[in-house]
Amino acid sequence: EVQLVQSGAEVKKPGATVKISCKVSGYTFTDYYIHWVQQAPGKGLEWMGLVDPENGETIYAEEFQGRVTITADTSSDTAYMEVSSLRFEDTALYLCATAPGPTNYAYDFWGQGTMVTVSS
Amino acid sequence: DIQMTQSPSSLSASVGDRVTITCRASQGISNYLAWFQQKPGKAPKSLIYAASSLQSGVPSKFSGSGSGTDFTLTISSLQPEDFATYYCQQYNSYPHSFGQGTKLEIK
Repeated sequence: EVQLVQSGAEVKKPGATVKISCKVSGYTFTDYYIHWVQQAPGKGLEWMGLVDPENGETIYAEEFQGRVTITADTSSDTAYMEVSSLRFEDTALYLCATAPGPTNYAYDFWGQGTMVTVSS
Repeated sequence: DIQMTQSPSSLSASVGDRVTITCRASQGISNYLAWFQQKPGKAPKSLIYAASSLQSGVPSKFSGSGSGTDFTLTISSLQPEDFATYYCQQYNSYPHSFGQGTKLEIK
């Protein structure tokens, strides 16, 4: 059974950095890309970027380029998404999802989400 | 960037009804279109990929159609567990983009 288990909720102050994990099981970690999606409270879904765990290559949405870093650790079958210089508007649910390829491949499994609250 | 527009934004229906949600892309995306279901406080669930193919384990009451710029999701014989928010997503090109969602509520 494929599972993506994300790390727990975080509360951070403005300007801080948060790093969220997404541990996968049930398939070969390097066979699937990991996407990250942001969902602000009461809002829709926004694609942030992806990582190819096989070689660490990443693609970011322009909005998140420079402040978001997505990585993958093949020794622990875990993907990470780090957001630096946190702002109040970064308060959101962050989701990881798998796809068998880069673009032109649909997402099949999702993590349960990690809520990040930015509060002073 | 490709913009995805869903309609309606909200929809009231009764148990047993058949409903259709539409999604329009700002430019052609072939059939690289997915549909997701999301319930409050939960992660999205993948329903349909390639515009009309059901993800494994998804009941056949869900169906999708379309190609190019115009797509539809149809849910037949609504049950209480189907009331949720539905999103379309294009994965034809980066950045992958989602529709704004359609909230399906019980009438």
